[in-house]
Amino acid sequence: GAVVSQHPSRVICKSGTSVKIECRSLDFQATTMFWYRQFPKQSLMLMATSNEGSKATYEQGVEKDKFLINHASLTLSTLTVTSAHPEDSSFYICSARLERGTTNEKLFFGSGTQLSVL
Amino acid sequence: GQNIDQPTEMTATEGAIVQINCTYQTSGFNGLFWYQQHAGEAPTFLSYNVLDGLEEKGRFSSFLSRSKGYSYLLLKELQMKDSASYLCALRNGYNKLIFGAGTRLAVHP
Repeated sequence: GAVVSQHPSRVICKSGTSVKIECRSLDFQATTMFWYRQFPKQSLMLMATSNEGSKATYEQGVEKDKFLINHASLTLSTLTVTSAHPEDSSFYICSARLERGTTNEKLFFGSGTQLSVL
Repeated sequence: GQNIDQPTEMTATEGAIVQINCTYQTSGFNGLFWYQQHAGEAPTFLSYNVLDGLEEKGRFSSFLSRSKGYSYLLLKELQMKDSASYLCALRNGYNKLIFGAGTRLAVHP
């Protein structure tokens, strides 16, 4: 199956610093990647859709200046949490869509990044 | 918009069968997915239904009724390792995957 690599798996940072999370599709090209956030015992909440070569599309309530997304190549999308605060502490997961012909039914997820802001 | 409902928690006995239900409301539908997620890990794909009926894959089966906005995941011959959260997710008319809150399944001996 397709592999999505997400790095780092865990990061602890001080309030006010910025943190970059990388998401790579290792054995396929992904024109579209998705970024989710998950708080403990809650579901995954879609934050934004990352499109290669164009601006990301953010969900309602997600600050685009706070969560910077860059999808510069067909295999890499990055999420930067700028000026992180304790309320940004969460589990962030990326996913990439594997498209086969006209049936793009599968999303493959990275292993997630646990962000803790002190 | 869309709305997805599934039970918060379920318990079952090792070796038994458990059915996890999911009901949804959406303005656009492009498929329903089930994922398994262990605590602190990323979800892993279990099944995909876009047409009505039952899809069977080993110990796991998933059913969909589009007219009723209803799906279920059936797990047979439960094992302790099946203790996890099971996420129902639908792909809406914008091809975005929207997740339900998940059902935490506890399998006990």
